[in-house]
Parts: sequence; structure tokens; C-alpha cells
Amino acid sequence: GQSLEQPSEVTAVEGAIVQINCTYQTSGFYGLSWYQQHDGGAPTFLSYNALDGLEETGRFSSFLSRSDSYGYLLLQELQMKDSASYFCAVRDFEDSGAGSYQLTFGKGTKLSVIP
Amino acid sequence: ETGVTQTPRHLVMGMTNKKSLKCEQHLGHNAMYWYKQSAKKPLELMFVYNFKEQTENNSVPSRFSPECPNSSHLFLHLHTLQPEDSALYLCASSPQTGQTNNEQFFGPGTRLTVL
Repeated sequence: GQSLEQPSEVTAVEGAIVQINCTYQTSGFYGLSWYQQHDGGAPTFLSYNALDGLEETGRFSSFLSRSDSYGYLLLQELQMKDSASYFCAVRDFEDSGAGSYQLTFGKGTKLSVIP
Repeated sequence: ETGVTQTPRHLVMGMTNKKSLKCEQHLGHNAMYWYKQSAKKPLELMFVYNFKEQTENNSVPSRFSPECPNSSHLFLHLHTLQPEDSALYLCASSPQTGQTNNEQFFGPGTRLTVL
């Protein structure tokens, strides 16, 4: 089975940098994704790492270390609108039936950005 | 807007009612998913359809019955639900399930309350 661990809540100051960690234990692994969800909204895709290293997209960066089963999402120059829940998700392959790549999500980290 | 719509946005039903949730995607995708999101729990994958064929049923009780008449539409038929089924039900789509970089696009969800 799969399990993912991430902090339940993080608070940071506007303009600061925050790192949200994710550790995982999975039977199969094809990549780590991050999703953002505002209260009352839909999860939206932020990033995907299949290989070790850092991927940067604007103010957001995501890191993966497959040997450590660990990744993180880094948010820079925090803005009030970044207050949301952030989910890491492991992509694995379900080979029963027709077979498909699927996502297993963590419980999410609620980020609160304060002035 | 993610290109995935869900109706209704809110639903209150009794345990003896029968209702259906609808999802429609305008992205030309071939895979569609139902997730359940409960408070303090990770998103739980319920069903997966790829090219209109169900490829995954994650041990979901039979009181939940999915239907995928074409690649753009997905339904979740509900009957004799329990109060613990109250949750946010999210629909998502992706190009197909057979790709490793399988970014999923989520709808806004249906907030279901079972009395």
C-alpha cells in the first residue's frame, strides 16, 4: 500500500519563504505531484517530479529525492493568496484490470499566510 | 475554470433518497475519475474510467454506482447512503491513464450531506 506524510498546518509571513515536506512509502513510484486547493475550490496542479532534483516554476519550486522517498514544495515571496491547502501525491501504476497510472494523495498541509 | 464542471454544487439528501451527481469535461480528455474528500482525510480515489471503460473500483460500496456514457460525461448514482458518506465528491479528468505525467484537472466538487 501507499502512505504519505506531510505536516497538517504551516503558518508563514507574507513575503517569506516556506517549505512543505512530504515523505512517502509506496509499493511503486513513478513521480511526485503537488496540488493546491483553496477553501471551497478544486485542487489544481502545481508541479510534477519524476526524477531527482529541483523543478522551478515561478515562485514555486518542487524537489524530489527518490533514494530518500522525500520531496518538498518551496513557495517564495509568499502572498496572501497563497493561503490554501497543499497536497503531495504519488503516482503509481495499478496493474489490475486494464492497468493505469493513478494518484495517491497525502492528507494535505493547510498554509496560512499572515501579514 | 479548469474545464471540468460538476452539478449540483451542493446536495442534501435523506438516507432513502436516490440522486445522481454529474461531471462534464470540455478538455478532450479520455480518462475521468471520482474522488471522495472528507475532513482531515486524504482524497480517496473511488472510480477510474479510461476511454469509457471502468479500470478501477477502489472497494467502493455498491450504494455508489458510476456511469460513463462517453468520454466527456461521468455520473455517480447514489442510493441508500449513510451519514458517513457526507463529503465533498470531486470529479477529475486527464488525457488518459496510460501516461506517467498524468496531470489531473479537477472540478469544483459536489458538497453532499446525508441526513
